[in-house]
Amino acid sequence: GEQVEQLPSILRVQEGSSASINCTYENSASNYFPWYKQEPGENPKLIIDIRSNMERKQTQGLIVLLDKKAKRFSLHITDTQPGDSAMYFCAASSANSGTYQRFGTGTKLQVVP
Amino acid sequence: ETAVFQTPNYHVTQVGNEVSFNCKQTLGHDTMYWYKQDSKKLLKIMFSYNNKQLIVNETVPRRFSPQSSDKAHLNLRIKSVEPEDSAVYLCASSSGQNTEVFFGKGTRLTVV
Repeated sequence: GEQVEQLPSILRVQEGSSASINCTYENSASNYFPWYKQEPGENPKLIIDIRSNMERKQTQGLIVLLDKKAKRFSLHITDTQPGDSAMYFCAASSANSGTYQRFGTGTKLQVVP
Repeated sequence: ETAVFQTPNYHVTQVGNEVSFNCKQTLGHDTMYWYKQDSKKLLKIMFSYNNKQLIVNETVPRRFSPQSSDKAHLNLRIKSVEPEDSAVYLCASSSGQNTEVFFGKGTRLTVV
């Protein structure tokens, strides 16, 4: 069980409102949960991450929450702007040898004026 | 500038041809990866490689193979391309399994 599920696949929000993306993972050994943003024609870039010793992390309008018991983590973008429109990917990894970071299926966020 | 560099940016080829994509990272990382991103934007790991271990995603067809001369280079060879190989191939690197992954700009492959 190494799957990372991500929902929703498409999210359309009004400018200024908040957007939330949820991910679940299967591997209980996972302890690192990054989020990547991919703008059109660009490569994915890390925007925020959280490790399993934390339940919440916040930076520059981004909040990530981690619920280890439920194997669930989420990204919340407050006060969305048109520049937030992009693909967002969650990921999960563990320190176990022979593993690699698994990505969620992606969420296309559209922020409309 | 330190980053992950890929060449070519685009490649169009016919079914059955062999192609090779290059990737170099100047970040001093120990681990490199190849991902395939399809038209639905799904990111699928193909290979994970450091100087000690090659991990192959079991779903990757055998016509794909990674080639590494040192820890800063990881090329991707496709022996006989098929139409379903059309995608963007992203090379990446990281300093470890539990750290940020840095991606290159990608190589867009179109198989006609």
